[in-house]
Amino acid sequence: DAGVIQSPRHEVTEMGQEVTLRCKPISGHDYLFWYRQTMMRGLELLIYFNNNVPIDDSGMPEDRFSAKMPNASFSTLKIQPSEPRDSAVYFCASSDYRGQLYNEQFFGPGTRLTVL
Amino acid sequence: SQELEQSPQSLIVQEGKNLTINCTSSKTLYGLYWYKQKYGEGLIFLMMLQKGGEEKSHEKITAKLDEKKQQSSLHITASQPSHAGIYLCGADNTGAGSYQLTFGKGTKLSVIP
Repeated sequence: DAGVIQSPRHEVTEMGQEVTLRCKPISGHDYLFWYRQTMMRGLELLIYFNNNVPIDDSGMPEDRFSAKMPNASFSTLKIQPSEPRDSAVYFCASSDYRGQLYNEQFFGPGTRLTVL
Repeated sequence: SQELEQSPQSLIVQEGKNLTINCTSSKTLYGLYWYKQKYGEGLIFLMMLQKGGEEKSHEKITAKLDEKKQQSSLHITASQPSHAGIYLCGADNTGAGSYQLTFGKGTKLSVIP
């Protein structure tokens, strides 16, 4: 399996522009997570999906952020409009429930976003 | 204040030395994950602890969970350059399982040959 795939790996944009980050989870996994990592705040959970349905988006910082999962093999995280404080590494992770409360989350390589 | 504190923030050790990284939670620990991150890469799962007193080992890495102290420790024996990276702990503080983890800021480990 190719693992969790994220694109782009690096994104540099100007303040006010729309940014779309993409994620392809591991085939067969029914949970998908979006995280943001910064030096100041560390790794934070933004939102997670189960079977393509958003379950908890309480970590999404504000209305400028939105996430979708139109099918089991694709998810997007969109920031519109982007601001310099959104600069961070964004990770996507997926997991297979398997009837257990605790499962390993498989992380993608991340997208490094820089907003000028 | 941070809900999950890792100490030390960074660590430089000579190859072959042992070291310990700690992860302390301000809330009840129901489960604790340890991940390793290399620069420019995602997180690699190391191990997960669920029960108080549980101890797991993988190669030269051992992790323990002290439920009463709300703390976990990660111990590396005879460190190697391949152990270098950022170690993150992720905690389940709600009993919701691995679906709502809170992560520490990480411990950066450097191993000098």
